[in-house]
Amino acid sequence: DTGVSQDPRHKITKRGQNVTFRCDPISEHNRLYWYRQTLGQGPEFLTYFQNEAQLEKSRLLSDRFSAERPKGSFSTLEIQRTEQGDSAMYLCASSLAGTSQETQYFGPGTRLLVL
Amino acid sequence: AQKVTQAQTEISVVEKEDVTLDCVYETRDTTYYLFWYKQPPSGELVFLIRRNSFDEQNEISGRYSWNFQKSTSSFNFTITASQVVDSAVYFCALSEARRGNEKLTFGTGTRLTIIP
Repeated sequence: DTGVSQDPRHKITKRGQNVTFRCDPISEHNRLYWYRQTLGQGPEFLTYFQNEAQLEKSRLLSDRFSAERPKGSFSTLEIQRTEQGDSAMYLCASSLAGTSQETQYFGPGTRLLVL
Repeated sequence: AQKVTQAQTEISVVEKEDVTLDCVYETRDTTYYLFWYKQPPSGELVFLIRRNSFDEQNEISGRYSWNFQKSTSSFNFTITASQVVDSAVYFCALSEARRGNEKLTFGTGTRLTIIP
């Protein structure tokens, strides 16, 4: 049983460039979450999918951010026109909805540095 | 709005000592879930425990134990006979069941350092 995987693990980009991150959830999990974690803080919720439907977006998710989960499996998070304030760890988690012990399992994260 | 407070920013103890990490939460819901996650230097969040709001029994798992008290809105985590491998940042988190999903609200974490 493989865990949640994320790619790339590290990304350095220049301000103004676009970046895209990928998350592959645990295979049978139907929910997928994106969080952002800045230095010294806990993760903050960005958005979540149930199957292919994006059901909630945080106010933290500006219009430069877009997330997709086209076939209800993997998900991508794109940041357009990156800013230095976007530098953070982007974490993906997945869970199986409908169970009495639903728990989110996290991937290793993608660390983004915007220069 | 829900909120999680971890007042201890950093704790250092000598190996084999016991240590307790505090977590205080706020929620308007009567049904909610509490979690603890461990984040080692590698960065990946590792699930430790989930507790339902209607189950106030304390739990023990090896050297780890959790004390859930609804009266004080606290969900504290104790490590007995600490080991160097316990060094990590520990996060307490809360989710509200009525929202239809289990979006987590995290505290700011407690960095635990075990000194050999």
